[in-house]
Amino acid sequence: AQSVTQPDIHITVSEGASLELRCNYSYGATPYLFWYVQSPGQGLQLLLKYFSGDTLVQGIKGFEAEFKRSQSSFNLRKPSVHWSDAAEYFCAVGAAAGNKLTFGGGTRVLVKP
Amino acid sequence: GAVVSQHPSRVICKSGTSVKIECRSLDFQATTMFWYRQFPKQSLMLMATSNEGSKATYEQGVEKDKFLINHASLTLSTLTVTSAHPEDSSFYICSAPKGGRGNEQYFGPGTRLTVT
Repeated sequence: AQSVTQPDIHITVSEGASLELRCNYSYGATPYLFWYVQSPGQGLQLLLKYFSGDTLVQGIKGFEAEFKRSQSSFNLRKPSVHWSDAAEYFCAVGAAAGNKLTFGGGTRVLVKP
Repeated sequence: GAVVSQHPSRVICKSGTSVKIECRSLDFQATTMFWYRQFPKQSLMLMATSNEGSKATYEQGVEKDKFLINHASLTLSTLTVTSAHPEDSSFYICSAPKGGRGNEQYFGPGTRLTVT
């Protein structure tokens, strides 16, 4: 069975500082990996995805993620956070792009002025 | 990008009543839609896969008689919570892949259900 672990429940960063959110997955085949962001009262917005190819993927809003098969990880990074990045972030894995997804527990990001 | 809508965005119902939540793909056809449930400050849990023209596929532990899913057309799936109880209060989110399972899926904005 597939599973996703996001070890950090909360992360607080100062505005302008770098951010890294951890994601570890368990999947029997080549995974399709996603990062979503959910702002309060909002739906999920796709930040980026990895299917194959270059293991460093670029997304929207200045985010990037690196797929490391040996570590079963897909960590999300942003060099300089903005106050608007305060939100809940979810890592997800699926068998295909349009298939059902298994989500991690989420990481809530707070941004200090 | 593609758009998926949900209606209503919020609903409050009394215990014992039923409530229907609609999920529509506005600018594409979706033969498959997914229904997720999100408890406060928790992650999304897949409830079921809605299939146009056939029965929904429920995840283990989800009561199919309580959460009725109907995929009435290529753009509409409905989730009916029957005989709702306070423990059914949650945030329900649907998603749909544009162009079928091999393609990226789009999420609706969610429906907040409160059962009193």
